[in-house]
Amino acid sequence: KAGVTQTPRYLIKTRGQQVTLSCSPISGHRSVSWYQQTPGQGLQFLFEYFSETQRNKGNFPGRFSGRQFSNSRSEMNVSTLELGDSALYLCASSPTYYRENTGELFFGEGSRLTVL
Amino acid sequence: LAKTTQPISMDSYEGQEVNITCSHNNIATNDYITWYQQFPSQGPRFIIQGYKTKVTNEVASLFIPADRKSSTLSLPRVSLSDTAVYYCLVAYGQNFVFGPGTRLSVLP
Repeated sequence: KAGVTQTPRYLIKTRGQQVTLSCSPISGHRSVSWYQQTPGQGLQFLFEYFSETQRNKGNFPGRFSGRQFSNSRSEMNVSTLELGDSALYLCASSPTYYRENTGELFFGEGSRLTVL
Repeated sequence: LAKTTQPISMDSYEGQEVNITCSHNNIATNDYITWYQQFPSQGPRFIIQGYKTKVTNEVASLFIPADRKSSTLSLPRVSLSDTAVYYCLVAYGQNFVFGPGTRLSVLP
């Protein structure tokens, strides 16, 4: 069974640009959640999508957005990039959304974004 | 303000039992506590989850006291390959909060 796939694995952008990251969940999983990981702030929850609807959202500005498609694949977008957005962005999938799930999240290897 | 705290680092020797505690004072009555392990350049990997009392699986045990304001991950007989960062995760309302992570170093 294939795991969670994130693309691209590495990317470099400049301030003010925007970026789109993609996440393909494990087959049959309908929930995708996104996380930002930095050395200073650790792992922070961005948002969770289930059946194409955002179910939960963390404390991030509106520049961070996401969506989920009918095949459960998800994308997140960051607009007007800032230097502080440099991070490892992780996505995780699970069979159902967190409140209904046992809570086990299956993580991808992440997309490392560098903003210059 | 929801907050989850853990020790930043711990050292241990091979074969010892390691206990890592996470504090989560504002946990809701229906929230689970979940622990993850992360190696460099990899995403976190699920270890164990619990709601109350004690849970055990093939790799770890999780102890949760009656007030549920903390939880302790217990790794029996650690090996060098257990060197990693360990995170607890608690959902506060609609926000999932990870602890800062505990960097465990297992020495030979």
